[in-house]
Amino acid sequence: DTEVTQTPKHLVMGMTNKKSLKCEQHMGHRAMYWYKQKAKKPPELMFVYSYEKLSINESVPSRFSPECPNSSLLNLHLHALQPEDSALYLCASSQVTSVDTQYFGPGTRLTVL
Amino acid sequence: GNSVTQMEGPVTLSEEAFLTINCTYTATGYPSLFWYVQYPGEGLQLLLKATKADDKGSNKGFEATYRKETTSFHLEKGSVQVSDSAVYFCALTSIIQGAQKLVFGQGTRLTINP
Repeated sequence: DTEVTQTPKHLVMGMTNKKSLKCEQHMGHRAMYWYKQKAKKPPELMFVYSYEKLSINESVPSRFSPECPNSSLLNLHLHALQPEDSALYLCASSQVTSVDTQYFGPGTRLTVL
Repeated sequence: GNSVTQMEGPVTLSEEAFLTINCTYTATGYPSLFWYVQYPGEGLQLLLKATKADDKGSNKGFEATYRKETTSFHLEKGSVQVSDSAVYFCALTSIIQGAQKLVFGQGTRLTINP
């Protein structure tokens, strides 16, 4: 099973709302990732968790707050977002070596009004 | 820093045509190389990968060979189908701060006409 699941599939929120994106994998992977993808662009890395610890934060604004409750789950908490944050948010997981494949979820399509 | 350059699209071909999508990279060390495919409205799927020089990755009729001397990983398919229409991303991995980081090319949008 190489499945990464993400919920919700679509999310519409106002600029004052608080919402969360969820990601889950059961492949025993010890690294999990959040990416942001705008239309017609490649995914941009936001955060990397390695062994449940935040390893990389690509200078993401604090209105995005990641959380890794355990090795299978990854959340992205959203607060006071801007319309330009509207995008496809992708979660991925992998083992922690450079030769291992990152497996991506289907994404959450976020619209900020 | 590490980077990936892909041929610019969009690319439009007729069914059964031969496909090449060029990919070159700049990296220190020996990165692993990947091709991912993204169908409309979906996440990325691994198409194929190669982890060392002269390795050939292959899947679903697609092939790419890791060429260290030319720092390239071009994607080829001998006879494309309408169902191959998608966006293709070349990528490499490196380990930074103890974590794996994927560096993507800009993507090539492929359209196959019947």
